[in-house]
Amino acid sequence: DAGITQSPRHKVTETGTPVTLRCHQTENHRYMYWYRQDPGHGLRLIHYSYGVKDTDKGEVSDGYSVSRSKTEDFLLTLESATSSQTSVYFCAIRGGFADSPLHFGNGTRLTVT
Amino acid sequence: GDSVTQMEGPVTLSEEAFLTINCTYTATGYPSLFWYVQYPGEGLQLLLKATKADDKGSNKGFEATYRKETTSFHLEKGSVQVSDSAVYFCASGPNTGGFKTIFGAGTRLFVKA
Repeated sequence: DAGITQSPRHKVTETGTPVTLRCHQTENHRYMYWYRQDPGHGLRLIHYSYGVKDTDKGEVSDGYSVSRSKTEDFLLTLESATSSQTSVYFCAIRGGFADSPLHFGNGTRLTVT
Repeated sequence: GDSVTQMEGPVTLSEEAFLTINCTYTATGYPSLFWYVQYPGEGLQLLLKATKADDKGSNKGFEATYRKETTSFHLEKGSVQVSDSAVYFCASGPNTGGFKTIFGAGTRLFVKA
């Protein structure tokens, strides 16, 4: 199994508070992704990274920011959490070839009250 | 833009029944195609992939063939088991030079004993 760890696994926070989710990989993969999964919406891409300090927006990036200061870590920050950001968040990594599959972490369940 | 459409669920089958989950894609290039499976409480994991037209991906009794002429990548299994109960996602990409994988909405499969 690809070495990818998300932390925390569960978090409950209040509206308006900042939250940071961490994704850590031991595979030295270039590409890292943050998705959210909600009933009826499938998987939606929030942000992705194609190298250290190289990031770009996905389809649902509003209210989220990311940082990647080293290859192994990709942080997702909710600057001021809202109830609409209650979701399950998945990090994924991918190798450099076009046919490389995504490898997913086990997810972070975030509840914003 | 590129898209993936898969049959809506849930799909409910009896053990040992034949499974087909339909998937069609639209793409500007020739992306690799993937099937991922998600078990409860876990992240998605790769089930199988195909990288070019007429390739057949297979794993754990599941098969899918990359059909360029019908832009399809249907998932099949000859005899399902209760342990196959999960959500199945069809996905394409990224295209050469791109970064993003396009996911279908997912199909939930229930297998009854």
